[in-house]
Amino acid sequence: SAVISQKPSRDICQRGTSLTIQCQVDSQVTMMFWYRQQPGQSLTLIATANQGSEATYESGFVIDKFPISRPNLTFSTLTVSNMSPEDSSIYLCSVLGSLPYEQYFGPGTRLTVT
Amino acid sequence: AQSVSQHNHHVILSEAASLELGCNYSYGGTVNLFWYVQYPGQHLQLLLKYFSGDPLVKGIKGFEAEFIKSKFSFNLRKPSVQWSDTAEYFCAVNAPQAAGNKLTFGGGTRVLVKP
Repeated sequence: SAVISQKPSRDICQRGTSLTIQCQVDSQVTMMFWYRQQPGQSLTLIATANQGSEATYESGFVIDKFPISRPNLTFSTLTVSNMSPEDSSIYLCSVLGSLPYEQYFGPGTRLTVT
Repeated sequence: AQSVSQHNHHVILSEAASLELGCNYSYGGTVNLFWYVQYPGQHLQLLLKYFSGDPLVKGIKGFEAEFIKSKFSFNLRKPSVQWSDTAEYFCAVNAPQAAGNKLTFGGGTRVLVKP
């Protein structure tokens, strides 16, 4: 399984600002995913990020709010823009493993917006 | 779109008790099924998975799950839990023909094992 790290591990941000979350993998992967886990809730997929192409966003998530970069096969960033308290969540990246459909998750970034 | 439901939000039990967590999904086509676990302060880990073949799959730490296609279920079991099994458990479904590599997660079940 891949080893995934995320930075920052947590942050407290003010309303109206933006935060960029980094996801680094120890091996090359084709697909990376970004999820949100709101307090007390399950994981919701924000978008799928493939290297060399635009991210594909799920219903309810837009690029202007959650721009994603995928510059190479081991790295991706998710930006949470113009934050509001409703954006307070854990943001997780995951990667598609060597077996089809199997995903491995990073430790998450706990974001609190005040 | 497929959906996944987990019957219990919270489960409290004593050590050595048996555990069964329910998971049902709504998609009628081919599915790949997963259970993930999140221990306190740790990241989400894959507990076990079903792709095809024997519907009874065994995972790490003594867990097993049974895929019952007719019931659209993939329940997780452990015969005798330990305090260290305290965690949140998530069922997830992949429907490759409908959603490619995407996973849909259930709401999660928080399990507390009392010593």
